[in-house]
Amino acid sequence: GEDVEQSLFLSVREGDSSVINCTYTDSSSTYLYWYKQEPGAGLQLLTYIFSNMDMKQDQRLTVLLNKKDKHLSLRIADTQTGDSAIYFCAESSMNRDDKIIFGKGTRLHILP
Amino acid sequence: SQTIHQWPATLVQPVGSPLSLECTVEGTSNPNLYWYRQAAGRGLQLLFYSVGIGQISSEVPQNLSASRPQDRQFILSSKKLLLSDSGFYLCAWRIGGNQPQHFGDGTRLSIL
Repeated sequence: GEDVEQSLFLSVREGDSSVINCTYTDSSSTYLYWYKQEPGAGLQLLTYIFSNMDMKQDQRLTVLLNKKDKHLSLRIADTQTGDSAIYFCAESSMNRDDKIIFGKGTRLHILP
Repeated sequence: SQTIHQWPATLVQPVGSPLSLECTVEGTSNPNLYWYRQAAGRGLQLLFYSVGIGQISSEVPQNLSASRPQDRQFILSSKKLLLSDSGFYLCAWRIGGNQPQHFGDGTRLSIL
């Protein structure tokens, strides 16, 4: 079945850039999403990208999509302590209109 | 604008007791609705989803059930809770056509 893979942990120094990577298997994916979850909270939609785009930028966030390699990344510029959270990659497909497939999440730890 | 409400925020229940968690969405009509469980701050497990009133799809056979008595109301229930039902329960909604899912703040369920 369809799958979304992410590394489980990432440590970054405050002020550096964070890059969180994700791979997916469904070649018919149409939208790809990044969510942020802070401790004890629900998932907050950060940004999403349509599969015919290769980049989307929103303030400190840059999403890069390599559709050929089925690779998605989220870059957070000037990482701050408030960026400490779990980041989930997710994808949806027109073939699966009702469900979104989520990765297991990457825990971003900020070093002082 | 659309909002989603989940309650209660936290719940402590004895083993064998019943459960009812409620989720309501405002500001939209005929949303797809979802219940997820998240164990130990990690990945999301899709439990149930609904594309309309009275229409429930179950992803994982278990001790829980879901109902959708009204268009924007989604209820997660159990007749007898097990220790393994502990976790963080998240409700989400989306409008179809590959739009993102939007999550509630979650319910932390502890079984004693």
